[in-house]
Amino acid sequence: ETGVTQTPRHLVMGMTNKKSLKCEQHLGHNAMYWYKQSAKKPLELMFVYNFKEQTENNSVPSRFSPECPNSSHLFLHLHTLQPEDSALYLCASSQDLEAETQYFGPGTRLLVL
Amino acid sequence: AQSVTQLDSHVSVSEGTPVLLRCNYSSSYSPSLFWYVQHPNKGLQLLLKYTSAATLVKGINGFEAEFKKSETSFHLTKPSAHMSDAAEYFCVVRGNSGNTPLVFGKGTRLSVIA
Repeated sequence: ETGVTQTPRHLVMGMTNKKSLKCEQHLGHNAMYWYKQSAKKPLELMFVYNFKEQTENNSVPSRFSPECPNSSHLFLHLHTLQPEDSALYLCASSQDLEAETQYFGPGTRLLVL
Repeated sequence: AQSVTQLDSHVSVSEGTPVLLRCNYSSSYSPSLFWYVQHPNKGLQLLLKYTSAATLVKGINGFEAEFKKSETSFHLTKPSAHMSDAAEYFCVVRGNSGNTPLVFGKGTRLSVIA
């Protein structure tokens, strides 16, 4: 295993619900990432955190709200999502932003009804 | 800007036959190139990477890839496919200018027929 865990693995939510995705890395890395993987599309980088500070927000709608309380944990808070937000959400970490290799978690499969 | 094109969305091979997954890249800088694999219900796992050292890169599970600058290609190969190789494969490029992000291809689904 890669040392990056994500919970829950599957999530079904209505458009008015509020839920959170959790990611934890046990690798001592300082950078963490959220990606969205939709069918037939390349992975889309959503957010980047380095030493708990957000360094990148790739024009992600405000209904997605990230939180990084420390270098080992990353959350993605979800609120009033749309059906087109259904996707696999992947968390990744790397030693730092310059590191070439990212380590991925198994993802959370999200279905918005 | 960096981009990557995976030329086949789906490749099907028989067990024991060679695998070829094609990837072409575009980069303003001397790039780093990667292949990641994703098995069903699993996260992405790094297969191999090229970072301006040897142009023929060997990875895990018998895979290798050759960086060809003249052809802007980084095709992934394996001499003999195994059933466990069935998965989605992603070609990834990253520029070598500071902390540039990874840019992923759309993926190639490899099926292995017994």
